[in-house]
Amino acid sequence: GEDVEQSLFLSVREGDSSVINCTYTDSSSTYLYWYKQEPGAGLQLLTYIFSNMDMKQDQRLTVLLNKKDKHLSLRIADTQTGDSAIYFCAEFGMDSSYKLIFGSGTRLLVRP
Amino acid sequence: SQTIHQWPATLVQPVGSPLSLECTVEGTSNPNLYWYRQAAGRGLQLLFYSVGIGQISSEVPQNLSASRPQDRQFILSSKKLLLSDSGFYLCAWRVTGHSPLHFGNGTRLTVT
Repeated sequence: GEDVEQSLFLSVREGDSSVINCTYTDSSSTYLYWYKQEPGAGLQLLTYIFSNMDMKQDQRLTVLLNKKDKHLSLRIADTQTGDSAIYFCAEFGMDSSYKLIFGSGTRLLVRP
Repeated sequence: SQTIHQWPATLVQPVGSPLSLECTVEGTSNPNLYWYRQAAGRGLQLLFYSVGIGQISSEVPQNLSASRPQDRQFILSSKKLLLSDSGFYLCAWRVTGHSPLHFGNGTRLTVT
């Protein structure tokens, strides 16, 4: 079945860059997504990338997609304390275009 | 613009009591609707999704059920809560195709 994997924890200093990694299994995925969850809140869509793209940049966010290795990454430049949150990558499931499958989330801690 | 409302925000219920969580979407018609559960602030488990009124797909067999009595209303229910039903319940919607999911603010359910 489909599976999305992420590292559990990342700690960086304020002002440094953060790179959050994700691997997925469904090679037919058309869109891949990054969500941010702050404590006690719902998930907020950060950005997404279409599978025919290698890179997408949106202000401080850069998404890189390696389809050969089924690897997705989210780079946050000039990381701020407000970026501390859990970050989820997600893809649509192999057997259904309705089901968005999430990774287990990476907790980003930004130290002052 | 589209908005999603989910209530209540927090709920404390005794074991064996019934449950009803409600979610409504405004500003769109015929959305796909979803219920996810998040345990211990980590990964998301898809519970139910619906592509139309009265159409419910269940992903995980358990003592929860879902209903969609109106186009933009999605209800999560249980006749008798278990301790293991505690968690953070998230409702989400999207338009058809591979558009992203948009989440409500969640309901924190504690079963005592």
